[in-house]
Amino acid sequence: TQLLEQSPQFLSIQEGENLTVYCNSSSVFSSLQWYRQEPGEGPVLLVTVVTGGEVKKLKRLTFQFGDARKDSSLHITAAQPGDTGLYLCAGVDGNDYKLSFGAGTTVTVRA
Amino acid sequence: NAGVTQTPKFQVLKTGQSMTLQCAQDMNHEYMSWYRQDPGMGLRLIHYSVGAGITDQGEVPNGYNVSRSTTEDFPLRLLSAAPSQTSVYFCASSYSGKGTDTQYFGPGTRLTVL
Repeated sequence: TQLLEQSPQFLSIQEGENLTVYCNSSSVFSSLQWYRQEPGEGPVLLVTVVTGGEVKKLKRLTFQFGDARKDSSLHITAAQPGDTGLYLCAGVDGNDYKLSFGAGTTVTVRA
Repeated sequence: NAGVTQTPKFQVLKTGQSMTLQCAQDMNHEYMSWYRQDPGMGLRLIHYSVGAGITDQGEVPNGYNVSRSTTEDFPLRLLSAAPSQTSVYFCASSYSGKGTDTQYFGPGTRLTVL
């Protein structure tokens, strides 16, 4: 059983559409991160959120940490083909050295 | 800076063979870790180290050994490879291992065990 559940597992949209990816857990996290991974490469950090209710924006990407620090979402506005990739959420719920990852959401943006 | 490097990039083993996956970082990071990535499973932590001479188990440590004799290197050893260990292996490093640190990942090693 994954500590972090991501949904949907796959998402395919047309260029210019918006999308939202969710990351949920029954555990409380002291912080949560979002990574993007492209085929054949390792994940790359997009953002870290640490405060319940926190919202961070990175150009067309908006990240939100739930008030109870059990969930997070990633919203992409006007998606572009360059946004295609595997989006992973990750968090630490107790042991500060064991980072747990969700299974990921594969996003495909069609031109 | 090269960041995190991993060798080899691809490897095919027969059941029962042993091998070592190499990982090195040049960022003077204290924390290093190994993950395996399987379809639909995300990344699962195998072992981690918070500094030279200190290692600990992650979520899926069975069948793997690690050691950390230097800050720079963190090799992962498969003692007797099994088909269930077919996976993509990623090494990562961060400044201290805290949950707010940026994890820097290597490019991965794709391992197939026949």
